[in-house]
Amino acid sequence: TQLLEQSPQFLSIQEGENLTVYCNSSSVFSSLQWYRQEPGEGPVLLVTVVTGGEVKKLKRLTFQFGDARKDSSLHITAAQPGDTGLYLCAGAYNFNKFYFGSGTKLNVKP
Amino acid sequence: ETGVTQSPTHLIKTRGQQVTLRCSSQSGHNTVSWYQQALGQGPQFIFQYYREEENGRGNFPPRFSGLQFPNYSSELNVNALELDDSALYLCASSLGLAESGYEQYFGPGTRLTVT
Repeated sequence: TQLLEQSPQFLSIQEGENLTVYCNSSSVFSSLQWYRQEPGEGPVLLVTVVTGGEVKKLKRLTFQFGDARKDSSLHITAAQPGDTGLYLCAGAYNFNKFYFGSGTKLNVKP
Repeated sequence: ETGVTQSPTHLIKTRGQQVTLRCSSQSGHNTVSWYQQALGQGPQFIFQYYREEENGRGNFPPRFSGLQFPNYSSELNVNALELDDSALYLCASSLGLAESGYEQYFGPGTRLTVT
């Protein structure tokens, strides 16, 4: 059973398009992180959100934590081929367990 | 500042054998977590060590065990290997336990193949 559900699973878009990736759960998380992973490498942390309703921006990436701290979204504006990768959300549960979603595989075509 | 390192990079074992994977934490980090990532899936939490004590465990059988040393490096041991244990094993270190929002930094992983 996946504690965190990510959608969509796969996304293939043209350079310059916008996209949103969703991360949903029925559980409340004390914090939520977004990572990007490239083939053969470990995940790289993009952002941590802690407060319900929090919005963080990282250049063309916008992250939002739901008010109830059960869901999150990642929005990319004007996607570039360098954004290609596996995007993972992960939630801290009971402060000492960390659960990952199954990931969204993004392909940005030039 | 040195990042998280793991060894070996790749490993091939036979079903029933035992394996030890190693992780060196980022400088100053006293918490390490281990994850199993099967092909095409997100990482699955195995367990976490904080100051040499296990502090949280996912749904993995007891044949998955670990150690954290005084210098905060860590080992993951898997006994009686099964074919389904084939995966990328990731370790991640963090500054410590926080009430909420501790950040983890991942190593590149060890690719284990069980035949």
